[in-house]
Amino acid sequence: EAGVAQSPRYKIIEKRQSVAFWCNPISGHATLYWYQQILGQGPKLLIQFQNNGVVDDSQLPKDRFSAERLKGVDSTLKIQPAKLEDSAVYLCASSLDSRGELFFGEGSRLTVL
Amino acid sequence: GEDVEQSLFLSVREGDSSVINCTYTDSSSTYLYWYKQEPGAGLQLLTYIFSNMDMKQDQRLTVLLNKKDKHLSLRIADTQTGDSAIYFCAESWDFGNEKLTFGTGTRLTIIP
Repeated sequence: EAGVAQSPRYKIIEKRQSVAFWCNPISGHATLYWYQQILGQGPKLLIQFQNNGVVDDSQLPKDRFSAERLKGVDSTLKIQPAKLEDSAVYLCASSLDSRGELFFGEGSRLTVL
Repeated sequence: GEDVEQSLFLSVREGDSSVINCTYTDSSSTYLYWYKQEPGAGLQLLTYIFSNMDMKQDQRLTVLLNKKDKHLSLRIADTQTGDSAIYFCAESWDFGNEKLTFGTGTRLTIIP
């Protein structure tokens, strides 16, 4: 079974530029999560989708971050404009339903200069 | 709010037991988890414990929960080089969901 796929693995941008990350969850997984993991910290939930609806985006900085999951499968996370403090690994995870084990992708490492 | 704390580093000799500790503040936590993150990889669920349990054993892994002190530990018996990773504890009110709160992670280094 294929795992959670994320791209790109690495991205370097200058502050005030924009960036987008893509996630393809495990086939059949209804719930998708985006986490931000800053160096030396644990992952922090940014947004949770159930199919194509948002369940929780309370910790998403909505002035610069946006995410969508239009057809209830793939998802994109966008940052515009990026700030230095956005440098982090962005982890995507999926689960079969909202009450199951989370499966994480390898992450997309963002460096903002 | 919720807070989960771990020591940042632990070094253990190969073959010895590793004990990774975690403290949490949310007394309403129902599930507590241990995740493993190998270099360049995503997090992988190792084991979890329900809050009404004191202990759970799974092969080389033993999880101990002291709910009174809000203290969780993970013991890895006969530590091997493949156990080198960052270990995160996490808590939630519902299995796998409901704003899973992660600790800062403990980097386990194995000394040959």
